Amino acid sequence: AQSVAQPEDQVNVAEGNPLTVKCTYSVSGNPYLFWYVQYPNRGLQFLLKYITGDNLVKGSYGFEAEFNKSQTSFHLKKPSALVSDSALYFCAVSPGFQKLVFGTGTRLLVSP
Amino acid sequence: DSGVTQTPKHLITATGQRVTLRCSPRSGDLSVYWYQQSLDQGLQFLIQYYNGEERAKGNILERFSAQQFPDLHSELNLSSLELGDSALYFCASSLPSGGTVSSNTGELFFGEGSRLTVL
Repeated sequence: AQSVAQPEDQVNVAEGNPLTVKCTYSVSGNPYLFWYVQYPNRGLQFLLKYITGDNLVKGSYGFEAEFNKSQTSFHLKKPSALVSDSALYFCAVSPGFQKLVFGTGTRLLVSP
Repeated sequence: DSGVTQTPKHLITATGQRVTLRCSPRSGDLSVYWYQQSLDQGLQFLIQYYNGEERAKGNILERFSAQQFPDLHSELNLSSLELGDSALYFCASSLPSGGTVSSNTGELFFGEGSRLTVL
């Protein structure tokens, strides 16, 4: 069965510094990998996805993610964090055109 | 705005009661998914419908049921409610008509959720 792990419940970073939110996955076959963000009292919003191709995927709001097959990881990154990036971030995996399986989420807190 | 509409936004009810949550997917999307988000369980997939038919089932209790109607809106029915059913219930949609199942790479569009409180 497919699964994702987000090892950090919370990530703290100062505004202007680079940020990384970690995700590792387990799936049989080729993974479809996603990052979503959830702001307080809102639904999840799609950030980016990896299907095939370049290992570095660029998404919304300046976020990018690096797919590493050998390490089964799909870490979310941003070169310079903003206070407004503070939110709950979910990594998700899909075996293809079916339901997404989400990780437990990582709360990102960007301090001014 | 994702284009997915969920009603009601908030619902407070008592144990043993039954509630219905409604979801209108993005215009033309054929697939509807229901997720439950709670503090202790995280985001759990409940069930998926595609063009009116059940496509995949997750951790959905037997007390819960769902359906997708010909106009593609969906309803999630929760019965014999327990305190532990208090959660945020999300609906998501994907796969516009004209797309194929194999071309659906899984990007979901979420509504803002229905917050259920069982007292």
